[in-house]
Amino acid sequence: EADIYQTPRYLVIGTGKKITLECSQTMGHDKMYWYQQDPGMELHLIHYSYGVNSTEKGDLSSESTVSRIRTEHFPLTLESARPSHTSQYLCASRGAAAKTYNEQFFGPGTRLTVL
Amino acid sequence: AQSVSQHNHHVILSEAASLELGCNYSYGGTVNLFWYVQYPGQHLQLLLKYFSGDPLVKGIKGFEAEFIKSKFSFNLRKPSVQWSDTAEYFCAVNAHEGSAGGFKTIFGAGTRLFVKA
Repeated sequence: EADIYQTPRYLVIGTGKKITLECSQTMGHDKMYWYQQDPGMELHLIHYSYGVNSTEKGDLSSESTVSRIRTEHFPLTLESARPSHTSQYLCASRGAAAKTYNEQFFGPGTRLTVL
Repeated sequence: AQSVSQHNHHVILSEAASLELGCNYSYGGTVNLFWYVQYPGQHLQLLLKYFSGDPLVKGIKGFEAEFIKSKFSFNLRKPSVQWSDTAEYFCAVNAHEGSAGGFKTIFGAGTRLFVKA
């Protein structure tokens, strides 16, 4: 079982609130990712990091921001949540290609509802 | 642009039926191919992967997939499904971004499989 954790698992908040979705992994992986997943749709990459102090935007435009101050921690922040942010957010990490063949390990996800 | 297509969004089968889920990708370079599975209420987890070598790869729980390079396909198969195979299945492709970038993983839209007991 992968050692990657996300909190909270479920979150219902009002419009305009600032929220932070937590993601932590204990595998020492350098690469971490945030995906947005809507029912019946592809996983869309919204942010990724190749290591400490490295963050990049993914393919899907997102109003969220991320930080990577520690290897194991990759939080995602929404400064002002809106109903359009309602979705499931998945965090993933990946180790060295030579060991894991680029397999990604996923957290359980955070299901966010913005009212 | 690179993309991954899964042909069926929903599949309903009876137990013991055979399963084949289609996956096609568009990318001309070297790829790593994956099938991930998400059981109800659980994490996405790796089912099987193709990296190199034998194009027929075997994964957990009796699943297998065949990489056909000429068809850009990586279809998932299982000869006899069980009720416990009810889950969502995602095909994914890892493609190299070029000398400056790393690998980029692209996921398909997923196929929801429901197996009737």
